[in-house]
Amino acid sequence: GNSVTQMEGPVTLSEEAFLTINCTYTATGYPSLFWYVQYPGEGLQLLLKATKADDKGSNKGFEATYRKETTSFHLEKGSVQVSDSAVYFCALRGPSGNTGKLIFGQGTTLQVKP
Amino acid sequence: DTGVSQDPRHKITKRGQNVTFRCDPISEHNRLYWYRQTLGQGPEFLTYFQNEAQLEKSRLLSDRFSAERPKGSFSTLEIQRTEQGDSAMYLCASSLETGGENIQYFGAGTRLSVL
Repeated sequence: GNSVTQMEGPVTLSEEAFLTINCTYTATGYPSLFWYVQYPGEGLQLLLKATKADDKGSNKGFEATYRKETTSFHLEKGSVQVSDSAVYFCALRGPSGNTGKLIFGQGTTLQVKP
Repeated sequence: DTGVSQDPRHKITKRGQNVTFRCDPISEHNRLYWYRQTLGQGPEFLTYFQNEAQLEKSRLLSDRFSAERPKGSFSTLEIQRTEQGDSAMYLCASSLETGGENIQYFGAGTRLSVL
């Protein structure tokens, strides 16, 4: 079945450091891929998405590229801020015609220190 | 506020009691999803509705769980005879399915603690 695997956290970085959170997936067909972020006490928010191979999603300085050959969708940011501290979830959704349900990884906690 | 709203935010109950949660989706959204999230894990799909029809239920959704969306607007999730293993965050999400993009917008969740 479809699944998502994320690197384990917590990831602790100093402000302005480079961030990578690894995400790999297993899926039939060509899923859409997402990164969601969960700030303390808040609901999940869509951070970025990519719907086909080689697409790059980007938002708020974060980027991720849909790599079909390595079945990966790693999240990157060149310079993190304290306000980026949150839990990040990688997720996939099956091809069109599917229910649209999301399959999530276990989440990676990011802590950014001043 | 036009986001997804869930009520209550927190619920503490004793084992064996019944609980009901409510979700109000974004008004024009035709799909509504329920997920469950336990500590340190990602959300897991429970069930979803297209308008008022419940079209899929996960095997996680035992017969003690029931969900409704009677008029295709708000939805309720009921858990009967709660067990300690039901303690989790219950998330609701809604989306507008148009045959293309299907971005799900999440509520803040209802945290259930079963004592």
